[in-house]
Amino acid sequence: GNSVTQMEGPVTLSEEAFLTINCTYTATGYPSLFWYVQYPGEGLQLLLKATKADDKGSNKGFEATYRKETTSFHLEKGSVQVSDSAVYFCALSASFNKFYFGSGTKLNVKP
Amino acid sequence: DTGVSQNPRHKITKRGQNVTFRCDPISEHNRLYWYRQTLGQGPEFLTYFQNEAQLEKSRLLSDRFSAERPKGSFSTLEIQRTEQGDSAMYLCASSPTGAGAHSEQFFGPGTRLTVL
Repeated sequence: GNSVTQMEGPVTLSEEAFLTINCTYTATGYPSLFWYVQYPGEGLQLLLKATKADDKGSNKGFEATYRKETTSFHLEKGSVQVSDSAVYFCALSASFNKFYFGSGTKLNVKP
Repeated sequence: DTGVSQNPRHKITKRGQNVTFRCDPISEHNRLYWYRQTLGQGPEFLTYFQNEAQLEKSRLLSDRFSAERPKGSFSTLEIQRTEQGDSAMYLCASSPTGAGAHSEQFFGPGTRLTVL
């Protein structure tokens, strides 16, 4: 079946620190992979996506590479800001019907 | 268009009552999805519409749950005889016409249901 596992939070970092949030998946077929972000009091927003193996998605300084050999899609950012504090969700779409989400990782960035 | 909207944003009800939520997708999107999110978890798929046709329902959607999209535009999700376990955030999402398997979904702000 399809599922997503991501690292538990919360993750607490100081401003300008390096961020990694791990995400691994199991899937039938050839999924697309996504990272969504949820800021306090707001809805889910797409952060980045990758549609095939070895693709790198990037946006707002965040990056993630679709690794088929390790079934992973880890989220990275070289220098986090206080404004990056949010909950991050890894997700896969194995068809156009529905997404499978991880449980979310809360990031707290301290000034 | 300002995105996917959901109403109400919050609903408090007593156990056993019926509740109905509304979702208005982005106007040109023909695909509409409902998800449920409980505290500390990611969204879980409930059901999916393409235009007015309900094409898939999750086993999470018990007989007390029903969803409609009568004219292929807005959708409603009704829960009958609510139970405390129904307390959650109910999310609606839509995706563009002609989108394939790789398209993003655009999410609304959600309706938070509390069953007392």
